[in-house]
Amino acid sequence: GNSVTQMEGPVTLSEEAFLTINCTYTATGYPSLFWYVQYPGEGLQLLLKATKADDKGSNKGFEATYRKETTSFHLEKGSVQVSDSAVYFCALTVTGGGNKLTFGTGTQLKVEL
Amino acid sequence: ETGVTQTPRHLVMGMTNKKSLKCEQHLGHNAMYWYKQSAKKPLELMFVYNFKEQTENNSVPSRFSPECPNSSHLFLHLHTLQPEDSALYLCASSQNGGGPYEQYFGPGTRLTVT
Repeated sequence: GNSVTQMEGPVTLSEEAFLTINCTYTATGYPSLFWYVQYPGEGLQLLLKATKADDKGSNKGFEATYRKETTSFHLEKGSVQVSDSAVYFCALTVTGGGNKLTFGTGTQLKVEL
Repeated sequence: ETGVTQTPRHLVMGMTNKKSLKCEQHLGHNAMYWYKQSAKKPLELMFVYNFKEQTENNSVPSRFSPECPNSSHLFLHLHTLQPEDSALYLCASSQNGGGPYEQYFGPGTRLTVT
């Protein structure tokens, strides 16, 4: 089956610190990979995606590279802000899988001044 | 604002009540989804509808009854719920077909069963 494993949170950082949130996956078939973000009191929003190996998704200063050899899609940002405090979800879908997403458990990020 | 709205945003109900959650999307999508989000657990896909037809039911108890009258609206009818059903219920929509297509989520309904 398909599964996504994320590092457990919460992750607490000071503003302007470097962020890494690890994500690894297993998939039957060729997956597309996503990072979603959930701000307090809101639903999930797509942050970035990558659909094939070695693709890099990027948005709002966040980046993640699809690494097929290590089955990973780690999220990084060079300098976090307080406004980045949220829960981050790694997810995958496989082609022909009916567009169903498999999510990780989410990683809460807290950024302090 | 993602183009997917959900009402109500908060709901408290007793175990003997009957209530409904509503989701509406303004994106022209043909696939809609219900998810359950509980603390410390991955999002659980409950139901999938494509072109108003249910194509996925992930062994959801019958006390949850979905309805999709058209491609823009999705309901989740609730009756005789249990306290463990307390959670955030998220609706999403997407294009359908081969994919992969981004899913757009609503803000969710926070359900508390007393």
